[in-house]
Amino acid sequence: GQNIDQPTEMTATEGAIVQINCTYQTSGFNGLFWYQQHAGEAPTFLSYNVLDGLEEKGRFSSFLSRSKGYSYLLLKELQMKDSASYLCAVRDGDYKLSFGAGTTVTVRA
Amino acid sequence: IAGITQAPTSQILAAGRRMTLRCTQDMRHNAMYWYRQDLGLGLRLIHYSNTAGTTGKGEVPDGYSVSRANTDDFPLTLASAVPSQTSVYFCASSEASTGELFFGEGSRLTVL
Repeated sequence: GQNIDQPTEMTATEGAIVQINCTYQTSGFNGLFWYQQHAGEAPTFLSYNVLDGLEEKGRFSSFLSRSKGYSYLLLKELQMKDSASYLCAVRDGDYKLSFGAGTTVTVRA
Repeated sequence: IAGITQAPTSQILAAGRRMTLRCTQDMRHNAMYWYRQDLGLGLRLIHYSNTAGTTGKGEVPDGYSVSRANTDDFPLTLASAVPSQTSVYFCASSEASTGELFFGEGSRLTVL
């Protein structure tokens, strides 16, 4: 199975940068995903990392280190609409996706 | 608009009753999944299907069953609902090769 850890809550100011860390322990690895979920809505895909390094997509970047079992999601130039839960998920060798409990990010004016 | 449709959106159910949550996708994805989401626990995999005709157990399968008679449909059945099955249920699908999950809007189930 998977053991995925991420902080429960983070607060930041509009325009700032926030980094959400995720550590995982897995017997099989087939990629790491980040999803965004606004309250009362379905999760939506943000990023995917399968090789070590940084993937940048607009204001969002995601980093992976497979040897350390570590990833982070970086949110730059925070906007009020970025207030949401951010879910770290790891895909195992059978292509099943296991999720962390999620990090609730609150953006304050 | 292509995507995943779940029904019902919300349901209140008496304990002991049988309930089927429906899920249909029109993206011709091979893999489909059922997750439940509970506060503080995140999304937990109940059952999955990598292709039509096959199913597998996830992290929390007890009390639930699924079937995958064709590519598009993946219903989740609670044979005899219990209050601990009160949750928000999400159906999702993916192309196994890419791995990105597409989620339905969720079904909020309350068992009294």
